[in-house]
Amino acid sequence: GESVGLHLPTLSVQEGDNSIINCAYSNSASDYFIWYKQESGKGPQFIIDIRSNMDKRQGQRVTVLLNKTVKHLSLQIAATQPGDSAVYFCAENEEYGNKLVFGAGTILRVKS
Amino acid sequence: GAVVSQHPSWVICKSGTSVKIECRSLDFQATTMFWYRQFPKQSLMLMATSNEGSKATYEQGVEKDKFLINHASLTLSTLTVTSAHPEDSSFYICSANSVANTEAFFGQGTRLTVV
Repeated sequence: GESVGLHLPTLSVQEGDNSIINCAYSNSASDYFIWYKQESGKGPQFIIDIRSNMDKRQGQRVTVLLNKTVKHLSLQIAATQPGDSAVYFCAENEEYGNKLVFGAGTILRVKS
Repeated sequence: GAVVSQHPSWVICKSGTSVKIECRSLDFQATTMFWYRQFPKQSLMLMATSNEGSKATYEQGVEKDKFLINHASLTLSTLTVTSAHPEDSSFYICSANSVANTEAFFGQGTRLTVV
């Protein structure tokens, strides 16, 4: 079936560096994408979202890039901090408000 | 932002017993709630979609008689794990979409351990 983000990599970065977390999706009908942060033992926390009619969206210290041609989504975190250490998931759905399909996740470890 | 509260945050139960998990939207009305299951170091897997006043829609492979979902009001959905077994031990997470805002808001999750 359709799936998002088949990998579970670990990304280690030095505090202060920029982080780039990637996600591949396979459902070309997906219209809405979201990045979530999940700390141990907690539910997902919304970071940033993007609709399919956009290719870039910026938030506070975070930027999401969407490349529909290759079905690729990325999350850029500027000046990574120890508090950014968590598991990051991309999620997508075909219709805003409908059920979300989550990717496998990426573990981000920030070294001080 | 909107708040979704899950209760309990953790529970330990004996095999064969049933456990109920509550998901409440505290400051908004939720037309739709979703229940997810997450095993350690894995992603969230959708179990079912719960709509207020109607039967839940279960994902393929999820036993509806095992995981009973009730969405009796616009602020409360419950997931009951019936006749729990150790393999049901997992992290269960709910999310809720409001009537006005279709963004999903997640609860803090419930850690279920069946012994």
